Amino acid sequence: AQTVTQSQPEMSVQEAETVTLSCTYDTSESDYYLFWYKQPPSRQMILVIRQEAYKQQNATENRFSVNFQKAAKSFSLKISDSQLGDAAMYFCAYRSGGAQKLVFGQGTRLTINP
Amino acid sequence: DTAVSQTPKYLVTQMGNDKSIKCEQNLGHDTMYWYKQDSKKFLKIMFSYNNKELIINETVPNRFSPKSPDKAHLNLHINSLELGDSAVYFCASSQVTGKSFSGNTIYFGEGSWLTVV
Repeated sequence: AQTVTQSQPEMSVQEAETVTLSCTYDTSESDYYLFWYKQPPSRQMILVIRQEAYKQQNATENRFSVNFQKAAKSFSLKISDSQLGDAAMYFCAYRSGGAQKLVFGQGTRLTINP
Repeated sequence: DTAVSQTPKYLVTQMGNDKSIKCEQNLGHDTMYWYKQDSKKFLKIMFSYNNKELIINETVPNRFSPKSPDKAHLNLHINSLELGDSAVYFCASSQVTGKSFSGNTIYFGEGSWLTVV
């Protein structure tokens, strides 16, 4: 079974600085997708960024980018120019190409210091 | 317009009661899900329906029964509620058929916060 590990329960960063959240996963499959979801205090799950495993190019969405290291099974999220609104729980998630469910990591709580 | 909507958003009920959470999606997706987030924030899938057919049923007690009247709706009924059922329940949807990357993305509702007392 696939597993997703987020080794940082909590992280903090000064406003306007850059922070990187770590995620590793374990799978024997070659076809899969990876996601980062943000969960603010409102509890809503918001998609931040997604990556197809077969693509070597790292995904970017404005201030959010990933460092996808397929051989190392690592999928970290970099947030540049951190803003107060970025404060939230961040979940890394894995989805097999042949399955219809997400496997989530334990989450990382990100605090932004003004 | 909310893409995936759930009702109620908050629910406080006593042990032993039966309750339902409703979910509707207006994204035209063919697959819907229920996820549970426990007190430690851990998220895990419970059920998945594709075109009204149950395709994923994780190890969930029989007291939980999903119902999908059509592919835009997936309701969750819980019988004989227990303290341990207290959690946030998320409905979600995605488009599975057809090969597009966006179809591999699962979109979540706002969650239904269930407290059993």
